[in-house]
Amino acid sequence: QVTLRESGPALVKPTQTLTLTCTFSGFSLSTSGMCVSWIRQPPGKALEWLALIDWDDDKYYSTSLKTRLTISKDTSKNQVVLTMTNMDPVDTATYYCARTSPDTAMAFDYWGQGTLVTVSS
Amino acid sequence: QSALTQPASVSGSPGQSITISCTGTSSDVGSYNLVSWYQQHPGKAPKLMIYEVSKRPSGVSNRFSGSKSGNTASLTISGLQAEDEADYYCCSYAGSSTFEVFGTGTKVTVL
Repeated sequence: QVTLRESGPALVKPTQTLTLTCTFSGFSLSTSGMCVSWIRQPPGKALEWLALIDWDDDKYYSTSLKTRLTISKDTSKNQVVLTMTNMDPVDTATYYCARTSPDTAMAFDYWGQGTLVTVSS
Repeated sequence: QSALTQPASVSGSPGQSITISCTGTSSDVGSYNLVSWYQQHPGKAPKLMIYEVSKRPSGVSNRFSGSKSGNTASLTISGLQAEDEADYYCCSYAGSSTFEVFGTGTKVTVL
């Protein structure tokens, strides 16, 4: 059974750095073709892909947010971490982590429940 | 990279069929057969409904089907049911620099 769960602060102040952790089970990120992405959704708005890390430790970032994002993994802990620097109120959103597997090509086949991050002073 | 364009809303009566369009460019939808569709009920995480343009994951009803022509992908829901009322998002792979781009989202209302 594949599960993913996001954790991190619910509230951050402007200019602070956000650190989110995705803890997963039911698959290994060392298996060829496996990837984990971070995706966010501001309240009432559309989904936005942020970053992806694959089994080979290759990392890909949203062009518009690339300078602020860092994604990393700890395969032994089954965790993927996203850091986003210089947070702004417009970054208020629900942040999801999601899996991509070889079975479904570049699609996100399993998602966490999401964690709402509010940016406010 | 701009978001893929979807109609803001689509509605239909129970039993009818509806189609949601997803228009991109020759750099994303038009270049790769890697379009996926997601259903999202209020307050819930998105659920994968279609991948690789037209493939259904195990457990997804065959009332959901996908297709693509040129730079536009489409999701068709046949035999519309009350439980299909939700937001729907398309997503396309867009190459190794942009990677993934989502659509603007479509709210489906069952009348």
